This record gives sequence, C-alpha cells and structure tokens, in this order.
Amino acid sequence: AQSVTQLDSQVPVFEEAPVELRCNYSSSVSVYLFWYVQYPNQGLQLLLKYLSGSTLVKGINGFEAEFNKSQTSFHLRKPSVHISDTAEYFCALGGDSGGGADGLTFGKGTHLIIQP
Amino acid sequence: GAVVSQHPSRVICKSGTSVKIECRSLDFQATTMFWYRQFPKQSLMLMATSNEGSKATYEQGVEKDKFLINHASLTLSTLTVTSAHPEDSSFYICSARDIGRITYGYTFGSGTRLTVV
Repeated sequence: AQSVTQLDSQVPVFEEAPVELRCNYSSSVSVYLFWYVQYPNQGLQLLLKYLSGSTLVKGINGFEAEFNKSQTSFHLRKPSVHISDTAEYFCALGGDSGGGADGLTFGKGTHLIIQP
Repeated sequence: GAVVSQHPSRVICKSGTSVKIECRSLDFQATTMFWYRQFPKQSLMLMATSNEGSKATYEQGVEKDKFLINHASLTLSTLTVTSAHPEDSSFYICSARDIGRITYGYTFGSGTRLTVV
C-alpha cells in the first residue's frame, strides 16, 4: 500500500521569507512524486514532479523540491514567498505497479499562509 | 499543454435528483480518467478509475450504483451522482492521463462544487 504524509496542516510564513513544506511517502514500488497547488474552489495545478534522474526538481513559481530516497521524503521549498503563494499544497504519489495507469495518492495538504 | 475541462463548476440540486458531471480532455487522448472527491479542508480521495470502453474500477467503500461512471470516448468521462443526498455534497475533481506523453503526467479539471439541498 502507498501513503503520503504531510505533517504540517498549516504553515504561517512572513512575506519574502523562505519556506519548506514537508512530505514523506511510503511505497513498495517505483515512485513518482508530485506537488500540486490548489487555490480556493479551484482544481489542482502542478508545481513540479519527480520521475527519475536528478533528485533536485525545479518547478513553476520559484518552487523546487528534493527527492531523498533514504529518508523517503520530497520536501517542497521556496527561497522567498509572496502573498500570492497563499494556498493549499498537496504532495502526491504515483506508483508504477505495472498496471499502466494508477490514480494518485494524496497527502492531507498543507495550508501555506503568507503574512505581510 | 494538456487541458482538462470539467463542467459544471457549480451545481445545486434537490435531494433525490441526479446530477451529471462531465470531464473532457481538450487537446489529448485519455484512455484513463480518475474521479476524486474532496471534503472541505481535506485531501482528495480517489473514488474510481474510468477506463475508455470498459467498466470503471471503484475504490473500496465507493458505491457503484450511486456514482455512475461512463467513459464512452477517449476524451470524455462522466460521473453521475444518482439520487443525491445532502451527504453527497462535496467538491468533485477529475483527472486525465495523457497516453501520448512520454513523461508521467496527470492533468486535473477545475472541479465541480455539488450542493444537495
């Protein structure tokens, strides 16, 4: 079975400060990891994804994440946040179990609150 | 880029009626689409996997007869909530996987807010 843990349900950060949103996963198969952002009453927008190769992944809006296999983590970071980054962030796990098309397993989400 | 259109964005219906939600891949073909449900301030829970031309695969605990899924073409999947009740009120989001893309990609629709009164 697969699982995703986002330990922080809410992270308050001052504007222009750095932020890290934590994500840990558990899987018995090859993993693909994603970070999505969701604004109120909207769908999900992909920030970045890790499929293979370089463990440091750069995404949109200045976000990046690092895949750490030994720690089974995929933490999301941004060096300087803006008010517009206030949103819900979801870490998701996809596994290649050979079936070809599995749905994603989502963490519970982290609400990033940017304070002026 | 890949775009998934979901319609309607909001719907209010009376208890006991049925509601259909459409999910379309606009610029790519999707043999597989996924339906998620999201309760307020909670994560997305996979409800079912919709396969073009075959029956959907439902997750444990999801009622097949209540949530009817049809995937009649490579670009359209529909979710029908039958005999809706207030507890079915939720945010429903579809996702499609682009079979033509080399990279592993999922694209999400903008979601449907269902309110049953």
